[in-house]
Amino acid sequence: DIQMTQSPSSLSASVGDRVSITCRASQTVSNSLNWYQQKPGKAPKILIKAASTLYSGVPSRFSGSGSGTDFTLTISSLQLEDFATYYCQQSYSTPYTFGQGTKVEIK
Amino acid sequence: QVQLVESGGGLVKPGGSLRLSCEASGFTFSDHYMSWIRQAPGKGLEWVSYISSSGRTIYYADSVKGRFTISRDDAKNSVYLQMNSLRAEDTAVYFCARLLWFGGRNWFDPWGQGTMVTVSS
Repeated sequence: DIQMTQSPSSLSASVGDRVSITCRASQTVSNSLNWYQQKPGKAPKILIKAASTLYSGVPSRFSGSGSGTDFTLTISSLQLEDFATYYCQQSYSTPYTFGQGTKVEIK
Repeated sequence: QVQLVESGGGLVKPGGSLRLSCEASGFTFSDHYMSWIRQAPGKGLEWVSYISSSGRTIYYADSVKGRFTISRDDAKNSVYLQMNSLRAEDTAVYFCARLLWFGGRNWFDPWGQGTMVTVSS
């Protein structure tokens, strides 16, 4: 199975900050890497597909980069509604696996 | 709009069974792969299973293989998860999600609101 490791596990930031979350795969996943946002008590929503493609309706302050084993989700200017938990997920091979999550909290 | 609604969760004793349902609307259900993903309380996301649009291709996580069965009924726009021999570690919110494919890549969108399964004596 492909293990996905996110860092950090949590971070505190202020509105307007630039925030980056990294995700590392235990073996190459090419660009088969997705990012999701989850707010408390809600279902996850997709932000980025195929490592760097911004999903329809997602604000342009979100961006994704990387390929192979190392990936980054960046929020260029953190907004109040962005405080949530973020998960990466590899879709390269089954079993599909998620990172452990990164909780973005208000400083 | 595209929507998924899960049902069937509840409290069950270890060793018991439960059948989850997920009804889809707003899209041509028979054209799409469907999946189940779960989240234990306070924990991260774990993919459980998926079924192809034809129903002929099915995959399971090792943690549920041999105990859970995914199926679909296109006439009812629904996907199901039959869960047998339930264990305490199966306690989670179970989400169904559409598995979209394009250009050899896939992703989950949308997700249902989830249904809670609690396995406890």
